[in-house]
Amino acid sequence: EDQVTQSPEALRLQEGESSSLNCSYTVSGLRGLFWYRQDPGKGPEFLFTLYSAGEEKEKERLKATLTKKESFLHITAPKPEDSATYLCAVRLNSGYALNFGKGTSLLVTP
Amino acid sequence: NAGVTQTPKFRVLKTGQSMTLLCAQDMNHEYMYWYRQDPGMGLRLIHYSVGEGTTAKGEVPDGYNVSRLKKQNFLLGLESAAPSQTSVYFCASNDRDLQPQHFGDGTRLSIL
Repeated sequence: EDQVTQSPEALRLQEGESSSLNCSYTVSGLRGLFWYRQDPGKGPEFLFTLYSAGEEKEKERLKATLTKKESFLHITAPKPEDSATYLCAVRLNSGYALNFGKGTSLLVTP
Repeated sequence: NAGVTQTPKFRVLKTGQSMTLLCAQDMNHEYMYWYRQDPGMGLRLIHYSVGEGTTAKGEVPDGYNVSRLKKQNFLLGLESAAPSQTSVYFCASNDRDLQPQHFGDGTRLSIL
């Protein structure tokens, strides 16, 4: 069965302490992988789309990379305002659905 | 700059009651989606639409109906609410396939 797994479930960092979030997928026919950020009480906010292995995207302190089996969201020198839940979703060859992982809850402390 | 607007934001229902959740987008997007988000689970697709007048089932469609009579609106209906439908419902839209989906801020629905 196709599956999207995010790890860790929760991560606590000190301000300035860089780290990476992982999204692994066991799907066939990947057409795109999406990263979203979700703040409490809000809807997911789009961050990046990656379409092929080797692709990288950057935005401020965030960098997303994609291999054939997983994606990483690297957070460099995080700030407290980066605290949120980060969601990964894959778009398959069939249908229009995004298959979401359960998310990684990130807390950055001053 | 409204984007995707969901109405209502909160609602409490009794088992067996019916209600309609409204999603409106002002971006002229063709595709619209309804998801539900439950604790410990990822977002799951309920129904979607690829254009005005079209609808299709997603992963968890049972107990829900949808309509897309106007391009900018996507309605989600619960005919006879059940406690298992207690959830946060998100609407999303995009202008074509494989483009990022833009989400509303959700409707928090409790069914007693």
